[in-house]
Amino acid sequence: DAKTTQPNSMESNEEEPVHLPCNHSTISGTDYIHWYRQLPSQGPEYVIHGLTSNVNNRMASLAIAEDRKSSTLILHRATLRDAAVYYCILRIGNDKIIFGKGTRLHILP
Amino acid sequence: DAMVIQNPRYQVTQFGKPVTLSCSQTLNHNVMYWYQQKSSQAPKLLFHYYDKDFNNEADTPDNFQSRRPNTSFCFLDIRSPGLGDAAMYLCATTTTGVSNQPQHFGDGTRLSIL
Repeated sequence: DAKTTQPNSMESNEEEPVHLPCNHSTISGTDYIHWYRQLPSQGPEYVIHGLTSNVNNRMASLAIAEDRKSSTLILHRATLRDAAVYYCILRIGNDKIIFGKGTRLHILP
Repeated sequence: DAMVIQNPRYQVTQFGKPVTLSCSQTLNHNVMYWYQQKSSQAPKLLFHYYDKDFNNEADTPDNFQSRRPNTSFCFLDIRSPGLGDAAMYLCATTTTGVSNQPQHFGDGTRLSIL
């Protein structure tokens, strides 16, 4: 399985943008980049996914490097409710998801 | 509206006493997954169903079994729980009808072993 590398934890101030990095140097041409997050005491929640082009939705933006070996999840204006563990995952089609360790995001008021 | 429902949210059982966790979904998804998540760790896939086809992960202990009587329901049976099986158990669903559909997770059942 292709692997991803994320920082263990990050901090950000409330109402500021947050850039969460993910390295996936062994990504294959058919791997999609997915992001999920897990708030305390809840199940994981889908955030966004993309293949080559940058993607935007109501929750976040996904910036994908031209060589696809890295990507960045962007939260445009962090709130306290965005404090969670964020998982970057490579996935082929509707294949099963294998979670890595993720990044624990702390939001400072 | 809850779409993947896990009951109960908290379950306590005794060492060695069989326990069943349940999951139901209102999404009519054909794929259902069970994950185990221990404290401060990432979710770990135990097994999943494509429709009625059961797919076990290679390292899932034999102590863990699953049943899917129909599209909406899936059960996780732990035959003889040990202390190491205390964890959050997460159910998730997806559909293979359209490519790259996300997984939808329930809020989990936290299992404690006495």
